[in-house]
Amino acid sequence: EIVLTQSPGTLSLSPGERATLSCRASQSVSSSYLAWYQQKPGQAPRLLIYGASSRATGIPDRFSGSGSGTDFTLTISRLEPEDFAVYYCQQYGSSTGTFGQGTKVEIK
Amino acid sequence: QLQLQESGPGLVKPSETLSLTCTVSGGSISSSSYYWGWIRQPPGKGLEWIGSIYYSGSTYYNPSLKSRVTISVDTSKNQFSLKLSSVTAADTAVYYCARPAWQWLDGPFDYWGQGTLVTVSS
Repeated sequence: EIVLTQSPGTLSLSPGERATLSCRASQSVSSSYLAWYQQKPGQAPRLLIYGASSRATGIPDRFSGSGSGTDFTLTISRLEPEDFAVYYCQQYGSSTGTFGQGTKVEIK
Repeated sequence: QLQLQESGPGLVKPSETLSLTCTVSGGSISSSSYYWGWIRQPPGKGLEWIGSIYYSGSTYYNPSLKSRVTISVDTSKNQFSLKLSSVTAADTAVYYCARPAWQWLDGPFDYWGQGTLVTVSS
């Protein structure tokens, strides 16, 4: 079973700043089957990135994903007020879709 | 537009079985090669994948829950279901049903239900 570890746990930033979130896997994620989600309070998660670096439909280009193997990164180039939320990574493609524990991006 | 809706009791007693149903509208469970999944989120905590079922009926479960989980499909009602036995307070969570974006792949989840809170308490 692949374990995903996200860091940091909390990121305190101001609007307009750049956010860099990390997701590290305990073993290599096949075919870069790594996704990122955004979740706001009281809402279901929203898919942002799939295949490690492809943006889902309707996702602004300030969101970008990168990485392969065991190390993946979600970057938000310039934080907008609506981007303050919790972000999760998830590996898939192995019939067991484990999630990371999440990174909270909060307003500084 | 595909829509998923969870339903079931909001309160379950310890040691009993939690049963939830996800009703799918805007698409047929049986006509395409999709996985259908269940994910939960304890209050104030992160997401936990519970398991998934392929349209063919093959099931895949989180190893930590495997001994207590059963996921099944009812194609006649366009629904899939979750049963979690021997529940404890640790099973209190918002339970989501979800479907991946593409056929033949178990993720990522692009369509989600709104979630339903299940509380385990006597």
